[in-house]
Amino acid sequence: AQSVTQLGSHVSVSEGALVLLRCNYSSSVPPYLFWYVQYPNQGLQLLLKYTTGATLVKGINGFEAEFKKSETSFHLTKPSAHMSDAAEYFCAVSDQGGKLIFGQGTELSVKP
Amino acid sequence: KAGVTQTPRYLIKTRGQQVTLSCSPISGHRSVSWYQQTPGQGLQFLFEYFSETQRNKGNFPGRFSGRQFSNSRSEMNVSTLELGDSALYLCASRPTPTYEQYFGPGTRLTVT
Repeated sequence: AQSVTQLGSHVSVSEGALVLLRCNYSSSVPPYLFWYVQYPNQGLQLLLKYTTGATLVKGINGFEAEFKKSETSFHLTKPSAHMSDAAEYFCAVSDQGGKLIFGQGTELSVKP
Repeated sequence: KAGVTQTPRYLIKTRGQQVTLSCSPISGHRSVSWYQQTPGQGLQFLFEYFSETQRNKGNFPGRFSGRQFSNSRSEMNVSTLELGDSALYLCASRPTPTYEQYFGPGTRLTVT
């Protein structure tokens, strides 16, 4: 069975600091991995995806993630946080069908 | 392209009633999935429809049902509402055969 664990339900950074949100997955098949962001009272927006190929994936808004098979990780990073990055972030793995399995989410706060 | 749309955005119902939520996918997307989001359980998969057929189902009681029409629009129905059904219901569509899903803004259901 597939599962996703996000380490840290709340992460707080200062504006301009590095953002690092951690995600570990478990999958019995080659994983397809995703990061989504959710702003208050909105749906989920796709930040980036890993399917096959390059293990460093670049997404929107300056975010990127690196797929590390040996560590079963897919951590999300951004070199410099902006106030507008404050939101909840979800890591997800696909069962190679229409089902996404989500982590519990990490709420990112950005301090001025 | 227009994104995924969901109607209504907000809904208040009484225990025991039934409710129908609607979702229009991105043009050309034939797969539609539904998710329930609650503070306690997080994001949970309800079901996926493709070409009017349910292809995958999550672990929810039979009170939760759905359907898809020939134009790929989908509806979700919950009968005999319980207080615990209060949640944000999210619809997502995907361009098969890829695996990334694009989410709508959700329907906030409150059961009193």
